[in-house]
Amino acid sequence: EVQLVESGGGLVQPGRSLRLSCTASGFTFGDYAMSWVRQAPGKGLEWVGFIRSKAYGGTTEYAASVKGRFTISRDDSKSIAYLQMNSLKTEDTAVYYCTRGRYYYDSWGQGTMVTVSS
Amino acid sequence: EIVLTQSPGTLSLSPGERATLSCRASQSVSSSYLAWYQQKPGQAPRLLIYGASSRATGIPDRFSGSGSGTDFTLTISRLEPEDFAVYYCQQYGSSPTFGQGTKVEIK
Repeated sequence: EVQLVESGGGLVQPGRSLRLSCTASGFTFGDYAMSWVRQAPGKGLEWVGFIRSKAYGGTTEYAASVKGRFTISRDDSKSIAYLQMNSLKTEDTAVYYCTRGRYYYDSWGQGTMVTVSS
Repeated sequence: EIVLTQSPGTLSLSPGERATLSCRASQSVSSSYLAWYQQKPGQAPRLLIYGASSRATGIPDRFSGSGSGTDFTLTISRLEPEDFAVYYCQQYGSSPTFGQGTKVEIK
C-alpha cells in the first residue's frame, strides 16, 4: 500500500524558514516524480512544485508564487522528499500535501499545516 | 497560466440522482491532460479521473469523465451517500492549475 506521511509543519513568523518532509513507503520511491500541493484554510488547491525522478535529471519546477523562496529536494536512499520554505509570508499559510506524480497525483499524504503569523 | 472555471459552484441533489459537473479552461488543454479529484471534509483529495476519461485505480464505474480542448465534464451516474463532497478539476498540460471546486451537497 502506498503511504505518504508529511511532517514538519507548525507556526512560524513571517520571514522565517521551515522544512517539510514527506516519507514514502509501499512503492519504489526513486522511480517517481514527487509534487507538493497546498490548500489555504477554506480555499481550493494550489500546485506548489515538483521534482523529477533521477532518471529524468531530478530537476525541479515551481509555481510563480513560490519560485525563488521554496526548494524541493529528495533523498532516494531514505524515500523522503523535502520542501524547504524560506522567506515565508502570511499567504503561505496552508495545509501542505505531498503527492506522487508530476502530472496528476494518484497518492496523497494526510497533509501538514503551516501557519505563518507573528 | 491556464485558468479553470468549474460550474456550478454548488450542486444540490438527492441520492440516486445524476450529477454533471463542468470544467472550462481559458485555453485548450493539450492532449486532454485533465484530472478530477474528490475531497471530503478533513481529508486529502483522491484522484478519480486522469487523461480526461480514464478512471483511477479502484474508482467505481459510476464516475466518468469526458471532454477535450477547453470543455470537460465529470458525471456521477447515480449518487451514493459517500459521493457528497467537493470535486476539483486540474490541468497538467502546462504549469498545473486547479479549478475552484464544485460542492455536491445533499438536497
